Amino acid sequence: EAGVAQSPRYKIIEKRQSVAFWCNPISGHATLYWYQQILGQGPKLLIQFQNNGVVDDSQLPKDRFSAERLKGVDSTLKIQPAKLEDSAVYLCASSLVSEQFFGPGTRLTVL
Amino acid sequence: AQSVSQHNHHVILSEAASLELGCNYSYGGTVNLFWYVQYPGQHLQLLLKYFSGDPLVKGIKGFEAEFIKSKFSFNLRKPSVQWSDTAEYFCAVTILTGGGNKLTFGTGTQLKVEL
Repeated sequence: EAGVAQSPRYKIIEKRQSVAFWCNPISGHATLYWYQQILGQGPKLLIQFQNNGVVDDSQLPKDRFSAERLKGVDSTLKIQPAKLEDSAVYLCASSLVSEQFFGPGTRLTVL
Repeated sequence: AQSVSQHNHHVILSEAASLELGCNYSYGGTVNLFWYVQYPGQHLQLLLKYFSGDPLVKGIKGFEAEFIKSKFSFNLRKPSVQWSDTAEYFCAVTILTGGGNKLTFGTGTQLKVEL
């Protein structure tokens, strides 16, 4: 079974630039999550989708972050404009029932 | 909001030593509990989980964890660690009262096992 795919794996940008991350969940998994993991901390949920609807985006900084999941499969997370404090690993996960499966993450560095 | 505390941020052990990593959570209702592991250069993967039933759960690679409801704890144990257990370990919780499947993670424990 193929795992959760994410791209790119690494991204370096300057502050105020825009960046987008892509996630392809495990086939058949209806629920998709985006987490932010800052160095030295555990992952923090940014947004949760059930199919293509948002279930929880309470911790998503909506002034600069946006996410979509068209057709209930792939998802993109965008940051516009980026700030220095956005430097982190962005993890995508998917689940069928309760267990979440994580992708390799995208390491973002904002200079 | 629920929170998860992991008391040990860095642990260094020699091979064959016993391991216990502490995890406490703050929510008083029904929870699901997880331990995830992240080996160097790899993605997060599930080590073990507790949903209900026997509070002593066994996971992969000889790990086990005990859920003690009265102490709000879910400590991870392994009787004899190996060099290959060097990794970062995360405790995580989901609450079951309309919170969906939202995982709240602890800050992680970096385990280094020396030969």
